[in-house]
Amino acid sequence: GAGVSQTPSNKVTEKGKYVELRCDPISGHTALYWYRQSLGQGPEFLIYFQGTGAADDSGLPNDRFFAVRPEGSVSTLKIQRTERGDSAVYLCASSFGGGSGANVLTFGAGSRLTVL
Amino acid sequence: AQSVTQLDSHVSVSEGTPVLLRCNYSSSYSPSLFWYVQHPNKGLQLLLKYTSAATLVKGINGFEAEFKKSETSFHLTKPSAHMSDAAEYFCVVSGRVDTGRRALTFGSGTRLQVQP
Repeated sequence: GAGVSQTPSNKVTEKGKYVELRCDPISGHTALYWYRQSLGQGPEFLIYFQGTGAADDSGLPNDRFFAVRPEGSVSTLKIQRTERGDSAVYLCASSFGGGSGANVLTFGAGSRLTVL
Repeated sequence: AQSVTQLDSHVSVSEGTPVLLRCNYSSSYSPSLFWYVQHPNKGLQLLLKYTSAATLVKGINGFEAEFKKSETSFHLTKPSAHMSDAAEYFCVVSGRVDTGRRALTFGSGTRLQVQP
């Protein structure tokens, strides 16, 4: 597609529920990133995929968070047993390559998650 | 590890006056540096990037930034503010490629207000 698409744009759930957030990157971009942005903060890195594999998942806060990218394109971020502290905007970004720190990331508009 | 510090959380200027958004970085290697802008309810957009070429980098919408290694700074400037420049601005440093970290590290952001 023309840009990075994220669905849903807004998700409200109850504490303890399971949530999936989807990211559809720019066609041909091999690198895909997930970030989390809490209110009043800059985005924080969660996980980076190069193709189908997670090349760096050091930003995932705990084992309730998991992400997949089975065919090297669309990615799903999965959150189990949601907590109120998980409320944030989850941002997805993609780029060509990923072999250089200078790669420019194109961000989606984000999925706003609210846990009641 | 790399980090960035944005020295002002809020900056307010009058339309037509210069803009200065300050950023200092910390890195044990030669990083790539970026400025991203985030308008309300929109995705992050790249303004400009520095990748060890020219130290004065020109970006979109009349913005520019100067990399000063001796001061570990990468301040963003614009000669004349426009109302449409009102947004949140993030200074960003790249991850260390040789360790496999591709993640970007974001500053906490500077909210720019432009008064008529």
